[in-house]
Amino acid sequence: GAGVSQSPSNKVTEKGKDVELRCDPISGHTALYWYRQSLGQGLEFLIYFQGNSAPDKSGLPSDRFSAERTGGSVSTLTIQRTQQEDSAVYLCASSSGGTGWTDTQYFGPGTRLTVL
Amino acid sequence: AQTVTQSQPEMSVQEAETVTLSCTYDTSESDYYLFWYKQPPSRQMILVIRQEAYKQQNATENRFSVNFQKAAKSFSLKISDSQLGDAAMYFCAYRSAIGSEKLVFGKGTKLTVNP
Repeated sequence: GAGVSQSPSNKVTEKGKDVELRCDPISGHTALYWYRQSLGQGLEFLIYFQGNSAPDKSGLPSDRFSAERTGGSVSTLTIQRTQQEDSAVYLCASSSGGTGWTDTQYFGPGTRLTVL
Repeated sequence: AQTVTQSQPEMSVQEAETVTLSCTYDTSESDYYLFWYKQPPSRQMILVIRQEAYKQQNATENRFSVNFQKAAKSFSLKISDSQLGDAAMYFCAYRSAIGSEKLVFGKGTKLTVNP
């Protein structure tokens, strides 16, 4: 497809379970971002991948959160031992990875995670 | 750390009228980028308009324009000739020109367009 895709669209899980959220960036985009959107905290940066560089993990809220990007393309965000406060919409974005203001981040439709 | 503040949680406008959404930010950096994103109920964030801090001229994209006041750290969005399809959440965002590529978002303004 032409845009960023995310799966699943919605995920309901029980507290304590692990979940995996997937992001397929726009073909050719070297930069990939994960954000979390929750009612209380708004939109928060989680993690950023750029090419083969070490990811910027500065936004991950706890060690229960991790992400990987395989082959410079698809990314998976994993949340272990989910808690109710993890309930949110998880947004993925990608960009061409160029420098300057024209390097626009294009967002996917998000995954709504509900932890019961 | 940079912060972005949107002081209007909700706004409404009549179709065909003009509305202005407010955004202020706090930073010690001299060069940075500012963005307005639109998020309709589909959840997909769409870039509306962007501005580079060192450019004096305000950005314009069709019916959307900004009023960028660098000294006041203000970046408001003006929507002219409002249309029903403009109804959405609008987020103001900041990105540093050096180092981190992450976007720092405001809490958003929900815009309702009345027919």
